Amino acid sequence: AQSVAQPEDQVNVAEGNPLTVKCTYSVSGNPYLFWYVQYPNRGLQFLLKYITGDNLVKGSYGFEAEFNKSQTSFHLKKPSALVSDSALYFCAVSRSNDYKLSFGAGTTVTVRA
Amino acid sequence: GAVVSQHPSWVICKSGTSVKIECRSLDFQATTMFWYRQFPKQSLMLMATSNEGSKATYEQGVEKDKFLINHASLTLSTLTVTSAHPEDSSFYICSAAQTDEQYFGPGTRLTVT
Repeated sequence: AQSVAQPEDQVNVAEGNPLTVKCTYSVSGNPYLFWYVQYPNRGLQFLLKYITGDNLVKGSYGFEAEFNKSQTSFHLKKPSALVSDSALYFCAVSRSNDYKLSFGAGTTVTVRA
Repeated sequence: GAVVSQHPSWVICKSGTSVKIECRSLDFQATTMFWYRQFPKQSLMLMATSNEGSKATYEQGVEKDKFLINHASLTLSTLTVTSAHPEDSSFYICSAAQTDEQYFGPGTRLTVT
């Protein structure tokens, strides 16, 4: 079985401050890790993924995530948050290339001006 | 980039009727598509894996006779909610797999009255 935990339901930051959204995972074998963002009444938009290689992954809109195998974590980060980053963020994991994603519960990010 | 569309984007139907939702990959062929369900302010729950030319694989607890999935071509999968009831009201999202990623549709809001 595979699973994802996003320990924070909500994250609130001021615009211009660093943003971190936490994610830990559990999966047998090599994990494929993903971050998606969802705006109200919309589908998911892909931010970034880790398959293999460099542990620091850079993605869309200035986001990055660091894969930490020993801590089984894949936290999402942005050095300077924007108000427009306010949305619902999902971490997801799959086993290698079977495509079946397991999602975390989601973290609502609010960036205040 | 890869684009996935869904139709309709929202639908209201009466209890007892059936509703069909289409998922199309617009610029690539997808042998595998996925159907997810999302309740308000909750995560995505994988319902089934749709494979072109073969029967769908349903996740545990999902009624295959209620949620009929047909993957007739490499660019189209359909989800039919049969004999819909108010508890079937939800946000349904499809995705199409290509290489290491899934591309998500914009979702369909189903309301059963």
